[in-house]
Amino acid sequence: AQTVTQSQPEMSVQEAETVTLSCTYDTSENNYYLFWYKQPPSRQMILVIRQEAYKQQNATENRFSVNFQKAAKSFSLKISDSQLGDTAMYFCAFLNNAGNMLTFGGGTRLMVKP
Amino acid sequence: EPEVTQTPSHQVTQMGQEVILRCVPISNHLYFYWYRQILGQKVEFLVSFYNNEISEKSEIFDDQFSVERPDGSNFTLKIRSTKLEDSAMYFCASSGGVPKTGELFFGEGSRLTVL
Repeated sequence: AQTVTQSQPEMSVQEAETVTLSCTYDTSENNYYLFWYKQPPSRQMILVIRQEAYKQQNATENRFSVNFQKAAKSFSLKISDSQLGDTAMYFCAFLNNAGNMLTFGGGTRLMVKP
Repeated sequence: EPEVTQTPSHQVTQMGQEVILRCVPISNHLYFYWYRQILGQKVEFLVSFYNNEISEKSEIFDDQFSVERPDGSNFTLKIRSTKLEDSAMYFCASSGGVPKTGELFFGEGSRLTVL
């Protein structure tokens, strides 16, 4: 079974600054997929960024980028130029190779301060 | 933009009662999921469903839980005899034909309160 760990329950960052959210995971699979989801106060989870484990290049999506270290089983999210609208819970998630089970970490509550 | 819709948004029930939570996935999606989030805790996988059968389920998804796709559009989660610890937010999600590379689209959730 997979486990996903987010060691930072809460973080805060000043508007326009950069923040990095940590995520580690444990799996015996070699091929899998990793995601960061955002859950704003409205509750609906939204995909922020995804990474295929077989790709060495780190995924980037506008102000969001990841640092994927496969050997270390680490998948951190960097948010550049933080905006007030980035305030939310952020969940790291692992999708198994079969694609039928997405496992979430415990979440990191991010507060962007003006 | 297509979205996953869930009803009810909030349901209060007495312990021991049966509850059915309903979801309408995105119309051309093939994979369906239920997750739950107990207040202040992590989002937990319950079950995935594909081709009219359960594809994977967690240890949480015991005999009191069942899922069904009764009419080709709805995807339901039934809890036969609710317990206090079933109080949680339940999220439905769906994904397209290639879940590995596609994202899961989540509904806004159904809050279940068991008294």
